[in-house]
Amino acid sequence: KQEVTQIPAALSVPEGENLVLNCSFTDSAIYNLQWFRQDPGKGLTSLLLIQSSQREQTSGRLNASLDKSSGRSTLYIAASQPGDSATYLCAVRPLNNNDMRFGAGTRLTVKP
Amino acid sequence: SAVISQKPSRDICQRGTSLTIQCQVDSQVTMMFWYRQQPGQSLTLIATANQGSEATYESGFVIDKFPISRPNLTFSTLTVSNMSPEDSSIYLCSVGGTTETFFGQGTRLTVV
Repeated sequence: KQEVTQIPAALSVPEGENLVLNCSFTDSAIYNLQWFRQDPGKGLTSLLLIQSSQREQTSGRLNASLDKSSGRSTLYIAASQPGDSATYLCAVRPLNNNDMRFGAGTRLTVKP
Repeated sequence: SAVISQKPSRDICQRGTSLTIQCQVDSQVTMMFWYRQQPGQSLTLIATANQGSEATYESGFVIDKFPISRPNLTFSTLTVSNMSPEDSSIYLCSVGGTTETFFGQGTRLTVV
């Protein structure tokens, strides 16, 4: 069964810092991996999608990498801002399945 | 991409009652998914809803507690039956395209 782990569980940084969030998964047979942002009490906003054949994706200050063979992904946030404060969720879509398996998330706080 | 409208966005319900959550997608999709996010936890898949057939439930979730309807390719409902305080969660519907997965904004349910 696919298990997804995110480290750290919580992170607090001063504004302007670059930071890395980590995600690992136990089964490399994935279709894709997606990073989401969730604000308190809200739904999920998709940030970046990486197909299993890709190594990385970039959107603005966000960069996500994927090493499928080692079962790892990282989300890099450059020049963090207070508006980046949220919970970041990593999810993998297994092969032969259309649902997603989620990590527990990293709760990020960016202090002004 | 897919735009998902979920209603209600939040509700406070008395224990023992039932709540039906609606999910409308702006395009036809084969599969729709229902997730639960308990307080402080990540997302857990409740069931997969296919049009024209019974929903497929994950371990720990049963049809009597979480009946699902899927009358057409753009709409689904999830009912939380005979609610107890332990059912207080965010419930989210989701659709998976050929690549990306999209989520509704969620229904925040509080049972008192």
